[in-house]
Amino acid sequence: DADVTQTPRNRITKTGKRIMLECSQTKGHDRMYWYRQDPGLGLRLIYYSFDVKDINKGEISDGYSVSRQAQAKFSLSLESAIPNQTALYFCATSDPDRNEQFFGPGTRLTVL
Amino acid sequence: AQSVAQPEDQVNVAEGNPLTVKCTYSVSGNPYLFWYVQYPNRGLQFLLKYITGDNLVKGSYGFEAEFNKSQTSFHLKKPSALVSDSALYFCAVRDRGNTPLVFGKGTRLSVIA
Repeated sequence: DADVTQTPRNRITKTGKRIMLECSQTKGHDRMYWYRQDPGLGLRLIYYSFDVKDINKGEISDGYSVSRQAQAKFSLSLESAIPNQTALYFCATSDPDRNEQFFGPGTRLTVL
Repeated sequence: AQSVAQPEDQVNVAEGNPLTVKCTYSVSGNPYLFWYVQYPNRGLQFLLKYITGDNLVKGSYGFEAEFNKSQTSFHLKKPSALVSDSALYFCAVRDRGNTPLVFGKGTRLSVIA
C-alpha cells in the first residue's frame, strides 16, 4: 500500500551495529505498529503506538526500541543488531473505526 | 490472551476446484476476525473481515469466510481457485478492546494448473 512507506527496503548489516528502520504514512491514522515476519512463525508484534504520546511493547520487544516522532512517523531501532534479528519487518497503521490494518511493503534486514 | 491457529502450513488445490484455508481462534468475548494475503515480495493485503452481522463475509477477489462461533472458526473459502490465488494467507483476530491484531502463522496456498 503506497500510503504506508518503509525505508530502507533492504539492509545488510553486521552484528553489533545500530540500525534504524523508518515508517511513514499518509493515511492520517493515529495507530501504528511494527511486526517482524519469520518463516513458519507468521507475524509477531514488536511495538505499537496508539498516538504520539503512547508507546506499548508487543510480544517480542526485547532488543528493539521505537520512536514516534509525529503522527505520520514511527521508527524502529535495533540498538545492537544480532543475527537472529534477521527477518522481514513490517510497519502497519490502523483506523479504529474500520478496524483493519494497512501494511507497508516491508524491510528485509539481514544481520551478518 | 488472544490466539489464532492455522493448522495447515500448506494447502494444494487444482485450478477450478474449491479451496478452504482453515483458521480457529481464541479470544475473550466477541472477536474481530480478519484474513490477509501476502504475495511474493509484497506486504500484506486486506481480504475481508468479520465484525458483526452475517456469519458469511464476502471479500476481495471472490473470497469469502464463514464465522462459526460455536466452533470458534473463521475458514477462508473460494468456490473456484485460480493459479493467481497462490500466496501466503494469514488469519488474524483481536478482541473488542484496544488491542492490536494477533496473527496466525500463515498458510501457503498453491493452486496448480
